Formats: sequence, structure tokens, C-alpha cells
Amino acid sequence: DGGITQSPKYLFRKEGQNVTLSCEQNLNHDAMYWYRQDPGQGLRLIYYSQIVNDFQKGDIAEGYSVSREKKESFPLTVTSAQKNPTAFYLCASSVQGTNDEQFFGPGTRLTVL
Amino acid sequence: AQSVTQLGSHVSVSEGALVLLRCNYSSSVPPYLFWYVQYPNQGLQLLLKYTSAATLVKGINGFEAEFKKSETSFHLTKPSAHMSDAAEYFCAVSDPGANSKLTFGKGITLSVRP
Repeated sequence: DGGITQSPKYLFRKEGQNVTLSCEQNLNHDAMYWYRQDPGQGLRLIYYSQIVNDFQKGDIAEGYSVSREKKESFPLTVTSAQKNPTAFYLCASSVQGTNDEQFFGPGTRLTVL
Repeated sequence: AQSVTQLGSHVSVSEGALVLLRCNYSSSVPPYLFWYVQYPNQGLQLLLKYTSAATLVKGINGFEAEFKKSETSFHLTKPSAHMSDAAEYFCAVSDPGANSKLTFGKGITLSVRP
């Protein structure tokens, strides 16, 4: 089955530690996205990539980093510089740009203790 | 800059009643508009999409939305609510440009009473 996988489903980390969230897609999509979701805040764009080896900052990129070395993979690192990292993180992909439907993964809930 | 306003954070309806979820947008050009649904602890799923082909858009699960340029609205409706419709609903907008971003509203939680 084609789709987007995110792992792990739940993640716990101590304050001050970097953590990497995985996102893999087998839809052969060019574009991939990372969103952060907080209660009552909707989805906010962290980073996006429209092609391999290229990515752009979204609205809330501070404290996060990404890489896009392969078309199917777009990992997100939450660094210790992120002031409030506890949130639900969603990865998405689309054929090309944002005018195309975005397909979402199941999400990773990160809790920083 | 584009923006989306979803009035109210929570809507409650009885099973079988009309569902109406409101969405107003702000965009400098004719936008693309989307409605997504999210079930608890899951990702988002596309309900429907407006791309200027027709003002009334039909989606999955019996939902539809009407684009009204004069009102800058894209409200989501369903004639008869089902218990399985209980979820969070997000309206989103993008400008039809090559590098445009998708901007989401804050979401509305729909509850369905038996």
C-alpha cells in the first residue's frame, strides 16, 4: 500500500536532548512538509521541501532542522533550542506544490519531560 | 498574505441534523481552498478541494462546500450528521502560485449527539 509512515507514534525525551522524527513516503511525491499541531492552534508549517537536496523554512522553523537526501525521506530534528517542543508533529507529501492535495502521515506525539 | 478564519472552536449537532462548519478566507488572488478532517490521534484526510472549476464542490462522506467569492467563504455542509462524523475539521487556503504555502485555520471540533 502506498502512503506516508511516521515513527515512532509516541516519543518521550528529556529536556535539552535533540530528537529526530522519521517520515517516509512511497507515493513518489516530490514535495514533503512538516507541521506542528497544538490544541486550538491548527497546523503550523515548520519546513517544506519541493525537491531532493532543497528545503525552505516555514512559519515556525526556529529550533528545528531537516534534511532531504532522498526523495522518499524527510526527517525532522527537534533541537534543544526549541523552547516548547511538546506537540503533535505531522508529516505530509504532495505530487508537487501546495496546490496539490497533501497526504498526511499518522503523526508523532512528542513529549519532552 | 492569505489567512483562514474558522468561527467557533466547537459545534455540536444531533444525529440526522444538518452540519454547517464555517470558513472565511483572505487572499489577494482567487485561491485554492481545502477541507480536511482529522480523527483523534491521526493524520488529516482530504474531504474536498476547490480549484475554480465549479463553485459547489462535492467531497467524500456526503460533505460538500460552496465557494462564494462575494462573501469570501467556503462553508462545509452535510445534510444529515452521522455519529462517525465526529472529528476535527480544518479549512485551508493556498494561492495558486508555484511556491505558495498551505495556510490552515485553527480547526472546528464537531460533536454528534445520539
